[in-house]
Amino acid sequence: AQSVTQLDSQVPVFEEAPVELRCNYSSSVSVYLFWYVQYPNQGLQLLLKYLSGSTLVESINGFEAEFNKSQTSFHLRKPSVHISDTAEYFCAVSVPEAGTALIFGKGTTLSVSS
Amino acid sequence: EAEVAQSPRYKITEKSQAVAFWCDPISGHATLYWYRQILGQGPELLVQFQDESVVDDSQLPKDRFSAERLKGVDSTLKIQPAELGDSAMYLCASSLAGDTAYEQYFGPGTRLTVT
Repeated sequence: AQSVTQLDSQVPVFEEAPVELRCNYSSSVSVYLFWYVQYPNQGLQLLLKYLSGSTLVESINGFEAEFNKSQTSFHLRKPSVHISDTAEYFCAVSVPEAGTALIFGKGTTLSVSS
Repeated sequence: EAEVAQSPRYKITEKSQAVAFWCDPISGHATLYWYRQILGQGPELLVQFQDESVVDDSQLPKDRFSAERLKGVDSTLKIQPAELGDSAMYLCASSLAGDTAYEQYFGPGTRLTVT
């Protein structure tokens, strides 16, 4: 069975500092990988995804994630965070052979302060 | 921009009562998902529909939960009777078929509190 581990439940950082949110997955078959963001009292929004091709994927708001097959990781990074990046971030996997449903990690709360 | 609609946004009910949640996916999205998100956890799939057919309900507690999508558009998730452990956020998501099937769009959720 597939599983997702987000290694940090909370990550506090100062504004304009770099940040990395760590995600590891476990699967014996190929997976697709996703990062979702959830702002307070809102639903989840897709931040970025890896399906195939380049292992480095980027979002429109400066986040990037790199798929590392050997380390089964998909860490999320941003070189300089803003107060508005404060949110809950979820890493998720989908197994193409088994359909399109997502398996989520427990989430990482990113708190950006000035 | 089209959004997934859910109602109600908040629901408080007593245990043993019945409760229902409604979801209206983005127009044209054939696939609809119901997830449950317990506080401090990631969402977990309860049921997945392709049009009006159930694709996966293996994690749905069928003794008390039911879900339907009669016309392949909107969907209802019901709990009867509700238990204290059902307190959670219930999220609905939808996606297109084909190459973009993996892009799921989530609604704002229904936060259920069972007392």
